[in-house]
Amino acid sequence: QVQLQESGPGLVKPSQTLSLTCTVSGGSINSGGYYWNWIRQHPGKGPEWIGYIYYSGSTYYNPSLKSRVTMSVDTSKNQFSLKLSSVTAADTAVYHCARDPWGTYAFDIWGQGTMVTVSS
Amino acid sequence: QSVLTQPPSASGTPGQRVTISCSGSSSNIGTNTVNWYQQLPRRAPKLLIYSNNQRPSGVPDRFSGSKSGASASLAISGLQSEDEADYYCATWDDSLNGPLFGGGTKLTVL
Repeated sequence: QVQLQESGPGLVKPSQTLSLTCTVSGGSINSGGYYWNWIRQHPGKGPEWIGYIYYSGSTYYNPSLKSRVTMSVDTSKNQFSLKLSSVTAADTAVYHCARDPWGTYAFDIWGQGTMVTVSS
Repeated sequence: QSVLTQPPSASGTPGQRVTISCSGSSSNIGTNTVNWYQQLPRRAPKLLIYSNNQRPSGVPDRFSGSKSGASASLAISGLQSEDEADYYCATWDDSLNGPLFGGGTKLTVL
């Protein structure tokens, strides 16, 4: 079955750019109809949706984060990525990648998540 | 404070039926479908209910969802110890132009 796995640095300095990659296994990211998402969860809080990318490269970001977010997809590697610029301590969270199979923002498969701490 | 309001905690004994509420507004639950997620300790969230009351394959029918007006509910019947987890509601918000999650309800099985 399809599995997602996040990877990237666990520590980022303030004002720098957070970069994470999600590797999709057990299925092709090219399969039409799926939306590939990034979602983060601050400690003890509910999840916060960051945005999605479609295999074609089209994107939609959370308006509250839009100015700092860039997502990209590499179909040859079956991966998609997140860049979040100008990070602060408020960006410290567990970052998950997740699949939306219907385009309805219901996320049926999640990666285990990776903790990213913003600190000098 | 989340736009979607859930009770911070709920509890029940094994075999009991418990419900978890999620209160929103006309710009979110009132006009959009609701999803529910279960998050076991130190695990990623798991989709439990989508489109108000649909269960993904593999989710037991002990879990059910409903929606009325600007509120939604998750019901768990025949409560089991492994149901002890955090539960989150989620929906689209027309004002924010993005999906929202509730603050979560921690379910304790006594």
